[in-house]
Amino acid sequence: EIVLTQSPATLSLSPGDRATLSCRASQSISNYLAWYQQKPGQAPRLLIYDASNRATGIPARFRGSGSGTDFTLTISSLEPEDFAVYYCQQRTNWPPVTFGGGTKVEIK
Amino acid sequence: VQLVESGGGLVKPGGSLRLSCTASGFTFYSYNMNWIRQAPGRGLEWVSFISNNDDYIYYADSVKGRFTISRDNAKNSLYLQMDSLRAEDTAVYFCARVPTGYGTPIFDYWGQGTPVTVSS
Repeated sequence: EIVLTQSPATLSLSPGDRATLSCRASQSISNYLAWYQQKPGQAPRLLIYDASNRATGIPARFRGSGSGTDFTLTISSLEPEDFAVYYCQQRTNWPPVTFGGGTKVEIK
Repeated sequence: VQLVESGGGLVKPGGSLRLSCTASGFTFYSYNMNWIRQAPGRGLEWVSFISNNDDYIYYADSVKGRFTISRDNAKNSLYLQMDSLRAEDTAVYFCARVPTGYGTPIFDYWGQGTPVTVSS
């Protein structure tokens, strides 16, 4: 089973700041990584698929990068609605599909 | 696209529950579907996958032998039969769609979730 480790667990930032979230895989997953955003009481929302492709309707301030074992989600300038929990997910060498433990982006 | 789960509730350990997910706004029979759960205050855990025509079904090890995924394309519905429930199955259960063209899953649409609590 591929383990995804997200860091940091919590990111305390202000609106307008740049956010950099990391996801590391226990073995190479090529570019088969997705990112999701989840707000309290809501279902997750797909942001990025295949490491760097934005899903439909996702603003350009969200950027995914990386391949192999190291991946990054960058939010260039945080908007108030971006404070949420972010999960990465891999889809290679499955089942099982696995998710990272999440990074909470909170208001400083 | 809309996915609406139902059937969650409070059940005793060892009991059973059947979750449903009703789909609308897309051609349900064309899409692979999944169940994903989230325990209180925890992260996401994939539970089960079913291909569009039932050819392929997979489970997480944590539920294998206890849960059964199924679908009825005529009713645009996805199901999860949960037997021998344990306290650790307590979670919000989401159904989620895999976009066409993806043999391995990403999840582009999710339902709002239905809560399941296993407690005596």
